[in-house]
Amino acid sequence: EAGVTQFPSHSVIEKGQTVTLRCDPISGHDNLYWYRRVMGKEIKFLLHFVKESKQDESGMPNNRFLAERTGGTYSTLKVQPAELEDSGVYFCASSQGTGLSRQETQYFGPGTRLLVL
Amino acid sequence: KQEVTQIPAALSVPEGENLVLNCSFTDSAIYNLQWFRQDPGKGLTSLLLIQSSQREQTSGRLNASLDKSSGRSTLYIAASQPGDSATYLCAVKSQGTGRRALTFGSGTRLQVQP
Repeated sequence: EAGVTQFPSHSVIEKGQTVTLRCDPISGHDNLYWYRRVMGKEIKFLLHFVKESKQDESGMPNNRFLAERTGGTYSTLKVQPAELEDSGVYFCASSQGTGLSRQETQYFGPGTRLLVL
Repeated sequence: KQEVTQIPAALSVPEGENLVLNCSFTDSAIYNLQWFRQDPGKGLTSLLLIQSSQREQTSGRLNASLDKSSGRSTLYIAASQPGDSATYLCAVKSQGTGRRALTFGSGTRLQVQP
């Protein structure tokens, strides 16, 4: 079974440009999460999809970030325009659609390393 | 607001030693606690998940304990090997209506010397 995949693995862009990150969750997983780790900080939650709906977007830093999950399969995270402080590693995770939150294991992708110059 | 702290930030041990990594969290109202491993340039690999009703979980040379009331968890690694070198992350899932987000600690960077 394929794990969570993310594309690209690395991205270097200039301040003011737009970048779109993609995440393909494990097949059949209804829950999809985005997290990020900026330099020197811990991994922080950005948002959570259940199928195509945004369940929790309390971690999104500002309106320069837009996440979508059309059709409830893969998800994209767009940063527009990118700022220097957006540099970091963006992780995607997925989990099965169970109502038992306490038993849920989130499976993480390898991350996209974003550098904004 | 949940906060997770991991001590020590870095640890270097000779091969064969048993070691303990510590994790503490401020809000004991959690669903579960998960230990992850991250290798340089790679994603997170889930090692152990302990539900709030459990006291410990074991997998091979790894044993994780949970004391929810005191807000503490430990990850015990027996007979460490150079292949265990990685960053170990602790994350909790807090109780709260509709929220499934994990709150992470900043990790312990482990180096096992051959």
